Amino acid sequence: SQQGEEDPQALSIQEGENATMNCSYKTSINNLQWYRQNSGRGLVHLILIRSNEREKHSGRLRVTLDTSKKSSSLLITASRAADTASYFCATDSISVGSARQLTFGSGTQLTVLP
Amino acid sequence: SQTIHQWPATLVQPVGSPLSLECTVEGTSNPNLYWYRQAAGRGLQLLFYSVGIGQISSEVPQNLSASRPQDRQFILSSKKLLLSDSGFYLCACWGGRTNEKLFFGSGTQLSVL
Repeated sequence: SQQGEEDPQALSIQEGENATMNCSYKTSINNLQWYRQNSGRGLVHLILIRSNEREKHSGRLRVTLDTSKKSSSLLITASRAADTASYFCATDSISVGSARQLTFGSGTQLTVLP
Repeated sequence: SQTIHQWPATLVQPVGSPLSLECTVEGTSNPNLYWYRQAAGRGLQLLFYSVGIGQISSEVPQNLSASRPQDRQFILSSKKLLLSDSGFYLCACWGGRTNEKLFFGSGTQLSVL
């Protein structure tokens, strides 16, 4: 079942602008991760934030996590046309009696216009 | 680091035909392996996972099955494809320094006509 829900479903911005994508989830988590998918390709891991962290940076990426609201956001600063892709949040949930797994949201399609 | 090989990249099959998609992993041993399906413009749905040779868990009832004949080989199969089996199939395993990231193959686009 889909745990994470991204918002917005689609986002179109001009090169140089910032892009913000949001993710909400339902259950308690060990960590939350963001992945990127170029059209017709596999997903690539971008960044991981643990449940005891509130903010994390990696290059032009900034991720926040609010466990009280069960939400996360991904900010891409100074966007480039090459950032055009789908972005997914995924939760590594606390579970008992089953193998670890990530549950993915439905994704945000980001288009960066040159 | 892990490398996941999936093939074929694209596949067009008639309804009722059999299916076999293969995934092999390099750079790790005894991996947990996963098959996901992605409908067009949608998120990923977990289909099967395996924690070891011959051990398969199914997440959703469906027309598909999975097998793990070797440690680093994961196969997705069907005896008779349905139209609803169309989608983008992705194989994945854990990796990274702390084994907390999923590494994905390049996927197989399956069209059932």
